[in-house]
Amino acid sequence: NAGVTQTPKFRILKIGQSMTLQCTQDMNHNYMYWYRQDPGMGLKLIYYSVGAGITDKGEVPNGYNVSRSTTEDFPLRLELAAPSQTSVYFCASSPHRVQDNSPLHFGNGTRLTVT
Amino acid sequence: KQEVTQIPAALSVPEGENLVLNCSFTDSAIYNLQWFRQDPGKGLTSLLLIQSSQREQTSGRLNASLDKSSGRSTLYIAASQPGDSATYLCAVGRSADKLIFGTGTRLQVFP
Repeated sequence: NAGVTQTPKFRILKIGQSMTLQCTQDMNHNYMYWYRQDPGMGLKLIYYSVGAGITDKGEVPNGYNVSRSTTEDFPLRLELAAPSQTSVYFCASSPHRVQDNSPLHFGNGTRLTVT
Repeated sequence: KQEVTQIPAALSVPEGENLVLNCSFTDSAIYNLQWFRQDPGKGLTSLLLIQSSQREQTSGRLNASLDKSSGRSTLYIAASQPGDSATYLCAVGRSADKLIFGTGTRLQVFP
């Protein structure tokens, strides 16, 4: 059981380039999330999904896009990379809603540097 | 707006000490509170989840308490070990489908 898998682990982008961060989970969880973690800061929610075909914005969605065509996959797209997007990105999943007291399962993260 | 604060930001202790990590939140209308552990270069691992109707949860040497009225939670680590060295984050379940995270406490336990 692999849990939540993120690829790549590391990436360096030039300003203006695009890339997709991949996230897949094999636990059949409906709820999936993308967070970013900046040094000394807590995790900030970028986008989330409550099931295939449904996505919604979190606290810091600007500069990102997501899709959820299957239960397993929840890719995060950066269209025009900017230095402010340098961060560590975490994908997480959960079988139920937050208010149903369901813990989150996290991937190991993608460390992205934009120069 | 819900804000979550963790004090201290960093802590270094000798092996064997009992520890208390603190988490404060500004809005008491929460669904639950979770404590996570993060090892360097890794994702977060859920340690304990306290429902809003509960006062505490225990797992092994870990005990987490919740006082909604005062907006506080504590994570108690008994008989600390070097393997407990990590960053500990708390997160409150405030609105539907979202967690709000604190900035974490970096713990180092030395032999």
